[in-house]
Amino acid sequence: DAKTTQPNSMESNEEEPVHLPCNHSTISGTDYIHWYRQLPSQGPEYVIHGLTSNVNNRMASLAIAEDRKSSTLILHRATLRDAAVYYCILRPFVSLQGAQKLVFGQGTRLTINP
Amino acid sequence: EAGVTQFPSHSVIEKGQTVTLRCDPISGHDNLYWYRRVMGKEIKFLLHFVKESKQDESGMPNNRFLAERTGGTYSTLKVQPAELEDSGVYFCASSQVGTGGEKLFFGSGTQLSVL
Repeated sequence: DAKTTQPNSMESNEEEPVHLPCNHSTISGTDYIHWYRQLPSQGPEYVIHGLTSNVNNRMASLAIAEDRKSSTLILHRATLRDAAVYYCILRPFVSLQGAQKLVFGQGTRLTINP
Repeated sequence: EAGVTQFPSHSVIEKGQTVTLRCDPISGHDNLYWYRRVMGKEIKFLLHFVKESKQDESGMPNNRFLAERTGGTYSTLKVQPAELEDSGVYFCASSQVGTGGEKLFFGSGTQLSVL
């Protein structure tokens, strides 16, 4: 499984943007970049994913470097509810319908200050 | 739309006893995954069903763990006999069939405590 590297923890203030980095220098050309988060006492929750182009959804934006060796999850305006552990995960594309498991690392623990 | 449901939410048992965890995936999701988080450690993959077939069971710790998904709907994970190190949170997730870009939906987990 291709490995990702994330900072152990980050801190930000409420209503400010947050940029969560992820390095994945060994990414293959067919790996999707997935982001999940886990809020306290809950199961992991899908945030966003992308392949090559930047992606936006109602929760966040994903900025993917041109060489795809790094990506950044952007929370445009953090709220207290965004305090969670954020996981950056590579997941291979498979041509047949047999998608592989997600492999979780340590993730980044994001703290939001009021 | 109902999400992934896990039962029970908490279970406290004694070492040597048997426990069965249940997961009801989102209707129509052929992929079902089991994960576990032991305190202080990362979330670890246990196994993956596609419908009723085990696609990947490489993460199952040992033969005290038995997972089933009869009929390709709900799944059970039985631990028999339970040991202290089995304590942790067990998560279930489901997804539609896809090629790697589809999202997984997770349940809230079962907190298992083995005393």
